[in-house]
Amino acid sequence: AQSVTQLDSQVPVFEEAPVELRCNYSSSVSVYLFWYVQYPNQGLQLLLKYLSGSTLVKGINGFEAEFNKSQTSFHLRKPSVHISDTAEYFCAVSAGNTPLVFGKGTRLSVIA
Amino acid sequence: DSGVTQTPKHLITATGQRVTLRCSPRSGDLSVYWYQQSLDQGLQFLIQYYNGEERAKGNILERFSAQQFPDLHSELNLSSLELGDSALYFCASSGVGVYTEAFFGQGTRLTVV
Repeated sequence: AQSVTQLDSQVPVFEEAPVELRCNYSSSVSVYLFWYVQYPNQGLQLLLKYLSGSTLVKGINGFEAEFNKSQTSFHLRKPSVHISDTAEYFCAVSAGNTPLVFGKGTRLSVIA
Repeated sequence: DSGVTQTPKHLITATGQRVTLRCSPRSGDLSVYWYQQSLDQGLQFLIQYYNGEERAKGNILERFSAQQFPDLHSELNLSSLELGDSALYFCASSGVGVYTEAFFGQGTRLTVV
């Protein structure tokens, strides 16, 4: 079985500052990794995914994440955040054709 | 717009009642997943259907059941509702393949009073 730990439940950051949202996973098999974003009163939208290949993955809205197999991590980064990035961010893992297992989420609050 | 449609958007009902949540997947997607999102439990996987058959089961209570119909839409039935069942219920769909992206609907917010 897979599990995901998002190390920070809330991350406040000033506008135009960089941000890193941390995610660690546990699995006995190879996995696929994802970051989803949830804006208030909306569903989840895929930001980026790691399936194979390059460990640095670029997604939408200027976000990127790095897969680190030795540290079982998949941290999400953005060099300069905007007010519009305020949302809940979820890290998720899947072992192929299995349902996504989500972390508990990190609430990113961007302060003007 | 993800292409996944959930109805209704909001539902308020009393304890002990039964409700049905509906999900229409993206055109061509055979898999449907149901998730429950609550403040204390986060996003919990409930159940997956693939082309009409149950594929995987998660933390779904016995009071809850689901099905996927021949036209691929799915329904989640929640019965003997309790206050603790109040949550946001998401449906997601994905296509065929080793892994394909899951697209989420906007969710149904269920409030049990």
